Amino acid sequence: GAVVSQHPSRVICKSGTSVKIECRSLDFQATTMFWYRQFPKQSLMLMATSNEGSKATYEQGVEKDKFLINHASLTLSTLTVTSAHPEDSSFYICSAKEGINEQFFGPGTRLTVL
Amino acid sequence: QKEVEQDPGPLSVPEGAIVSLNCTYSNSAFQYFMWYRQYSRKGPELLMYTYSSGNKEDGRFTAQVDKSSKYISLFIRDSQPSDSATYLCAMRPQGAQKLVFGQGTRLTINP
Repeated sequence: GAVVSQHPSRVICKSGTSVKIECRSLDFQATTMFWYRQFPKQSLMLMATSNEGSKATYEQGVEKDKFLINHASLTLSTLTVTSAHPEDSSFYICSAKEGINEQFFGPGTRLTVL
Repeated sequence: QKEVEQDPGPLSVPEGAIVSLNCTYSNSAFQYFMWYRQYSRKGPELLMYTYSSGNKEDGRFTAQVDKSSKYISLFIRDSQPSDSATYLCAMRPQGAQKLVFGQGTRLTINP
């Protein structure tokens, strides 16, 4: 149980384009989902927290107009990187939790912006 | 000072050794403590979950929490090359949703 999937696992795009990453909880209802960013050899950096049906809460320094988060259902959240630039290249990881249970992470999406 | 301190390593030990990984923290409100294992280019995997002080054992893994010292540990017995990964400690207060992570320790088990 507690499986979280992400799609795509890897994406390469041109500068200026938008990229959408999906995060799904496969066997539980995710009341809360989180989006993280991770640079090489560094720990996870929380970008935003989203509760199903509500607007996401962004961490300080994260541009909400650039990183659009939608959590429209209890099993799906999406992160859209708008007008991506090379500095947005990173490893994006989502996690999901059901109620008071702990977070379970997806396998991550590697974004490369050329 | 970071809320959670974790030695980033790298830590390299021979196969079969006992590994000790540690984190210290400053926020006395932390009540829930987790250890995650992250293989290269993968998402973190929840290994151990402990509430408050004490020990918890699961196979070759033992998690210890000493709240009086604000110190948590993960012990790996009979370490295997497949244990080579980055180990992240994480913790949160009661009622909080967000986790506070350590920097992660890169561990290599040499055959």
